Amino acid sequence: QSVLTQPPSVSGAPGQRVTISCTGSSSNIGAGYDVHWYQQLPGTAPKLLIYGNSNRPSGVPDRFSGSKSGTSASLAITGLQAEDEADYYCQSYDSSLSEGVFGGGTKLTVL
Amino acid sequence: EVQLVESGGGLVQPGGSLRLSCAASGFTFSSYWMSWVRQAPGKGLEWVANIKQDGSEKYYVDSVKGRFTISRDNAKNSLYLQMNSLRAEDTAVYYCARDGDGDYEDYWGQGTLVTVSS
Repeated sequence: QSVLTQPPSVSGAPGQRVTISCTGSSSNIGAGYDVHWYQQLPGTAPKLLIYGNSNRPSGVPDRFSGSKSGTSASLAITGLQAEDEADYYCQSYDSSLSEGVFGGGTKLTVL
Repeated sequence: EVQLVESGGGLVQPGGSLRLSCAASGFTFSSYWMSWVRQAPGKGLEWVANIKQDGSEKYYVDSVKGRFTISRDNAKNSLYLQMNSLRAEDTAVYYCARDGDGDYEDYWGQGTLVTVSS
């Protein structure tokens, strides 16, 4: 059971917009800690997608965006492409555990 | 170009030990916190440990405290994870990662598989 809760799967057709939620609590996201997002393509290492809630590293398309409100955060992907099919993970810090925590991951399927 | 290359994984019996290494290049290794993150087969990501630039601070996930030791050699641009008293539940791909300005990992290695089985 992950400290951060993500839907196991989401799907969308090419060109559509999808969102992936990440729900935490008052000891992590709700406490003001930043949320970060990673993309893991099949058989590869994770890649940083969003850091500090809404910032994109160099090279990440602006189709990817992040937001945070209260005890939750969201990753939005617009103009869905086949190459976006991957697992997505959110991450934050938890003050009760005193460690970084990941969500359970969400598998995005492009229909 | 930032590169992180892990090595040292393999098959080990329960109760055994293994030492993972991570060779870093393309950045000033001594200026960054570094982390180990693992992923059990078919499962999600789990942060394992991290270490400050000069090695003076180290943090571990509860499940590995007292069994795993993270260390670094800045002269060799290398990160290590000494794993003792290994258990079946430690079976995973172990990733070496560079820490960004906040509590996130901005670059990852390709990972090395550790299998704990008799």
